[in-house]
Order: sequence, then C-alpha cells, then structure tokens
Amino acid sequence: DAGVIQSPRHEVTEMGQEVTLRCKLISGHNSLFWYRQTMMRGLELLIYFNNNVPIDDSGMPEDRFSAKMPNASFSTLKIQPSEPRDSAVYFCASSPHSPANEKLFFGSGTQLSVL
Amino acid sequence: AQKVTQAQTEISVVEKEDVTLDCVYETRDTTYYLFWYKQPPSGELVFLIRRNSFDEQNEISGRYSWNFQKSTSSFNFTITASQVVDSAVYFCALRDDKIIFGKGTRLHILP
Repeated sequence: DAGVIQSPRHEVTEMGQEVTLRCKLISGHNSLFWYRQTMMRGLELLIYFNNNVPIDDSGMPEDRFSAKMPNASFSTLKIQPSEPRDSAVYFCASSPHSPANEKLFFGSGTQLSVL
Repeated sequence: AQKVTQAQTEISVVEKEDVTLDCVYETRDTTYYLFWYKQPPSGELVFLIRRNSFDEQNEISGRYSWNFQKSTSSFNFTITASQVVDSAVYFCALRDDKIIFGKGTRLHILP
C-alpha cells in the first residue's frame, strides 16, 4: 500500500490566491483528518470526516477554509483567498473508523508559504 | 472537552542520559485511546504506541517505555540511554472520536 498521499509537497503562492491541497486516503480507510502544524499552535485539527461526511469542522479557522471528500478515497482542503498567516504545514491522515483505537496514518504534509 | 497538555516545550539532555516526556490529558469519556508520535527533523509523523483506557499496564519497547496512570490522567514516555537519533518532536495524542494532539515536546540529544 502506498500510504496516505498528499500533493503538492510544497506550495508557494501570493496573498489572495486560491490554494488547493489534496489527499488520497489509504484504501479501506473511512476516516479522514486534516491538521495544520505551526510553531505557535502545534498540530491543530481542522476537520475530520467519517464515511465522506464531515463530522467536526470546529477547527476550521474561518470561512476562507473549506474541505471536501468527493469520494471515499480523496479529499481536498481549499483556502480562498489565502493570507500570509495561513503559512504552515498541512497534514492529512486516515484511519479505519472502527475500531476507534486505530492509529492515524499520516501523509508527508504540504508545506504552504503564502507571501 | 478533550485536552492534551505537554508542559515541556523543549528538553535538552546529553547522550546516554534517560529522559521522560510528560503528557497529561483530559476527557469526559470512559473509553478513550492514547498515542505517542515522533516527528524527526525530516517532518513525517511516526507512530510509536497506542494505549486504551482499560489497559494501565506499562509497556517497554527497547529503550522506550510508557507509564499510563489513569489516576493522574498521565501517559508519560521515557527514553532510556538516549541517542542523538532520538532528537525529534514528540507528540502525545488522545482519541475518543476525533484525535487531539498536544503541542509537542522538542527533544535535543546532545552528543
């Protein structure tokens, strides 16, 4: 299995541009988590899905952020318009929903820099 | 509400010393799961261990050991005879449904 695949690995964009981060889950996993990592705030949970349904998006910073799961194996996180304070590493992770003790399998992350 | 606290932001020890990373958690659930992950300088997140709330038995894996105490809501991680390769950020995490991470402890092992 290829593991969780994120793209791009690095993204540099200018303030105001739309940014789309992509994530492919491990086959058979049905829980998907998006995290943001910064020095100040550590690993913050932005949103998570079970069976393609968003369960908790309370961590999404504001309306500029949106996440979707158009199918069971793929997710996108979109920032529109982007701002310099969005610069961070964005991780997605997947796991089986059940049993609940399953660990998360993380992608390699997307390093986002908004200039 | 869930919460994970890793009070030690950064620790430096000399190689071969033992070091303990603290983790304290809060949850209202009686069934929950605890994890430790390692993030080396390369940036990936590496799973180390998981524990469920019904199993307070301590665990040892090579130089790594974990001490789970429900009475104090703690799940501490000890590295014995530390090595330079242990230098990384270590995260403790709590899962009932979603998974919440502590802010991490940056560990420097000095040669």
